[in-house]
Amino acid sequence: SQQGEEDPQALSIQEGENATMNCSYKTSINNLQWYRQNSGRGLVHLILIRSNEREKHSGRLRVTLDTSKKSSSLLITASRAADTASYFCATDASGANSKLTFGKGITLSVRP
Amino acid sequence: EAQVTQNPRYLITVTGKKLTVTCSQNMNHEYMSWYRQDPGLGLRQIYYSMNVEVTDKGDVPEGYKVSRKEKRNFPLILESPSPNQTSLYFCASSGYNEQYFGPGTRLTVT
Repeated sequence: SQQGEEDPQALSIQEGENATMNCSYKTSINNLQWYRQNSGRGLVHLILIRSNEREKHSGRLRVTLDTSKKSSSLLITASRAADTASYFCATDASGANSKLTFGKGITLSVRP
Repeated sequence: EAQVTQNPRYLITVTGKKLTVTCSQNMNHEYMSWYRQDPGLGLRQIYYSMNVEVTDKGDVPEGYKVSRKEKRNFPLILESPSPNQTSLYFCASSGYNEQYFGPGTRLTVT
C-alpha cells in the first residue's frame, strides 16, 4: 500500500529557480527518505530525515519534516538542468531501513 | 565500488516460460528486496529478505518467488510469467541509512 503521496505530480521550472516538492504520509514513521530517479534507471538516495529531526541540509538540498502534519518537503535550490528527474519520498516505519514504502513520485523538469 | 547488479537488463519472453532475474550486492548487507515500478503506481515491494534463508512477502508477491541461499544473492523467479508482470524491476540492498538500487530489469511478457 502507498504510504507517501507526493505533490505536485509534475513540476516545471527554469534553471536557477528553486524547486519545492511535498510528501504526505499516513502512519507513524521512524524516518523519511528522498530518492531521485533518472529516466528508467535505478533510484539514488538523496537524504534521510529522522522523526526527531525537523530540518536537514545536504548541499543544495533542504528537507523538512513535520510529524504533526505527517508531511515533508524537499527543496532544491538554484536548480540545474541536470536536476531533471523523478523524485520519490519513502517512509520507514521500522527504523531498520528494511521496508520502505514509496510514493508515486514527482517529475521535475528544469528548463535550461 | 559498492554496487547492486541485476541481470538481465532487458528481457522479452512469452507467457508461461519460467525466468529468473538475478541480483547481487557486494556490500555485505543483510537486507535485500525486490520492487516493481509501473507508470502511475510508483514502486511497490514484491518480496524482501532480512538475511540468508529468511524471506517475506511485500505488497505485491503474487506470481513471484525468491530465494536467499547466500548473503550476496537474491534472485527473483517468475515460474509462469503473465502479461501483467510486464514491468520495470529493481533489486535493492539496505545499508544503515539508505537503500542501494540496482540498474533495473525491463521485462516484457507477451
